[in-house]
Amino acid sequence: DAKTTQPPSMDCAEGRAANLPCNHSTISGNEYVYWYRQIHSQGPQYIIHGLKNNETNEMASLIITEDRKSSTLILPHATLRDTAVYYCIVRAAFSAGNMLTFGGGTRLMVKP
Amino acid sequence: ETGVTQSPTHLIKTRGQQVTLRCSSQSGHNTVSWYQQALGQGPQFIFQYYREEENGRGNFPPRFSGLQFPNYSSELNVNALELDDSALYLCASSDRDLKANYGYTFGSGTRLTVV
Repeated sequence: DAKTTQPPSMDCAEGRAANLPCNHSTISGNEYVYWYRQIHSQGPQYIIHGLKNNETNEMASLIITEDRKSSTLILPHATLRDTAVYYCIVRAAFSAGNMLTFGGGTRLMVKP
Repeated sequence: ETGVTQSPTHLIKTRGQQVTLRCSSQSGHNTVSWYQQALGQGPQFIFQYYREEENGRGNFPPRFSGLQFPNYSSELNVNALELDDSALYLCASSDRDLKANYGYTFGSGTRLTVV
């Protein structure tokens, strides 16, 4: 079973920041938080990951709370092309199997 | 660098038949995973191969089997197809030997319809 909880859907106005929350209250000390997104009819796309520090790359920022029980993915200036299902996943790096366990994700709709 | 490519993109099979799906990993990646995604759901892990050996399997019956070749390309085979096997099948590759684990690169998938 997925170890994360996300709202099923969210709306965001084009040009505004999209803040997608994720709860992972049972996360272990060696588990990372990963974010992927899936645009309709395509494979999931890696966005960002982190362990305990906040992370930023060209796509997004990841804010992880100090107790690591929740995190927020921030798309700073959402565009219509950011409309997708966003998945928050926790897993241990280099673990046996090393699989990704997807939950239901958050369907983000960016509106003009 | 090339990404992950899957073939075919779409496929229609009859219940009881067998199917083989193919995946070419991203250059330099030695690990490949397969996922099944039913309509409206998140992808579900089927199995993973690292350097031609299976090293993880999800809750799928033995009629789902796979191979990884020396060039790290991969096949997913499904025998005795059932209607519930209709789904998008995704292949993902990564380099497990990387010290910084940057995650998987997914292909666009094969849409399998069983009638």
